[in-house]
Amino acid sequence: SQQGEEDPQALSIQEGENATMNCSYKTSINNLQWYRQNSGRGLVHLILIRSNEREKHSGRLRVTLDTSKKSSSLLITASRAADTASYFCATDANNDMRFGAGTRLTVKP
Amino acid sequence: EPEVTQTPSHQVTQMGQEVILRCVPISNHLYFYWYRQILGQKVEFLVSFYNNEISEKSEIFDDQFSVERPDGSNFTLKIRSTKLEDSAMYFCASNPAADTQYFGPGTRLTVL
Repeated sequence: SQQGEEDPQALSIQEGENATMNCSYKTSINNLQWYRQNSGRGLVHLILIRSNEREKHSGRLRVTLDTSKKSSSLLITASRAADTASYFCATDANNDMRFGAGTRLTVKP
Repeated sequence: EPEVTQTPSHQVTQMGQEVILRCVPISNHLYFYWYRQILGQKVEFLVSFYNNEISEKSEIFDDQFSVERPDGSNFTLKIRSTKLEDSAMYFCASNPAADTQYFGPGTRLTVL
C-alpha cells in the first residue's frame, strides 16, 4: 500500500513566491525522497534526506524531516514558471519505495 | 551519464491482448522496479526484482503481470490479457545498493 501522503493536493502561486509541500508517512523509513514529474514525463529525483538528518538544501530546494511526526516538507524558494510540475515524496524502507499521491504545483508568470 | 531507457514510449493495444514493456536499467544496478501511474493519479508500486527473482510485489501485481530479466540487460513487464484499466504510464527504475532510484522516461500504455 502507499506510504506517503502529500498535501496540499494542488497549489497555485505567483512567480517569485515560495511553495511549501508536505508529506506524511506511517512507518519507519531509511530515507525520504522528493521527486518531480512534468506532465507525461518520467520522474526526476530532486533530493534525498536520510532518517538521521533533519534538513537538507539543494539550490532553491529545502527539505526538512521530522521522524517523530513522520512528516517531511519541501520548500521551493523564489519559484519560477518552470517549476510547474507534480511533486512526489517517496519513502524508502529497506529498498522498498512507496510514493505519495503528489502535489500539483502551478506557478503563474 | 548513464540512464534507464524504456521502449516503446507509447503502446496502443486492444483489450485482451498481451503486451510486453521493455526497460534497460543502468548496467551496474542490482535492483529493478516497475511502477505505474494512471493518468491524474499517484504513482503506484508494482514490483521489485533482485537477484533474478521478485523481492516484493503489490496487490496490483496479480497473475496478469509477470517480470523477467531475459538476457542480463533487459527488464520486461508483461501483461497477459490487458484490460481497459491497465491504461497508464509504466515506469521502470533501477538502483545499485545505494538509495536513489533512477527512473526511466516511462511507457504510456493505452488499452482500447
